Amino acid sequence: QQQVKQSPQSLIVQKGGISIINCAYENTAFDYFPWYQQFPGKGPALLIAIRPDVSEKKEGRFTISFNKSAKQFSLHIMDSQPGDSATYFCAASSMNYGGSQGNLIFGKGTKLSVKP
Amino acid sequence: EPEVTQTPSHQVTQMGQEVILRCVPISNHLYFYWYRQILGQKVEFLVSFYNNEISEKSEIFDDQFSVERPDGSNFTLKIRSTKLEDSAMYFCASRSLFRPGANVLTFGAGSRLTVL
Repeated sequence: QQQVKQSPQSLIVQKGGISIINCAYENTAFDYFPWYQQFPGKGPALLIAIRPDVSEKKEGRFTISFNKSAKQFSLHIMDSQPGDSATYFCAASSMNYGGSQGNLIFGKGTKLSVKP
Repeated sequence: EPEVTQTPSHQVTQMGQEVILRCVPISNHLYFYWYRQILGQKVEFLVSFYNNEISEKSEIFDDQFSVERPDGSNFTLKIRSTKLEDSAMYFCASRSLFRPGANVLTFGAGSRLTVL
């Protein structure tokens, strides 16, 4: 019940295309859903996050879509660029649940390659 | 921009040896975490630390592991007797209690541990 399932494992997109990465969770106590971006040799860095009280959040070219009833959320990268090539992790946490504050459960990651 | 600093960046050790990984969290953060990432796999939660005590730990964090905040700035992870399967990248993270960044975990660049 603590798992976050992420797909696809890898993704190749042409420059200017749309990258879509999907995640699903089971634990209804999760109330915080961030996406992290990781470049080789670096730590994960927060890209964008959403709480379950909204269905979509957009920051620049990055959008999270959230479907609470389906327990799914996805990351859309519009106008994908070669500099977006990285590994993307979805995660979930129960920020308001005592004892699990900040314990992020990560998906397995998606390696995105954007071809010029 | 404030950052989480980790040392060493890479440590090679013999099986059975003790290892201490060090972290300097962001100065006004109050929650501290260790995560690990085995090569090519997802980021896994190890332990969270708040108010000078462990607030949560995963099943990975067994008796071989310990954490300490020996002074006002450092946060350490000790592995008492390393095993081959402890080889991984270890990430330290910290989090503020206060808005607007209360949900955001900031990760360090990681310490790569290689056990021979």
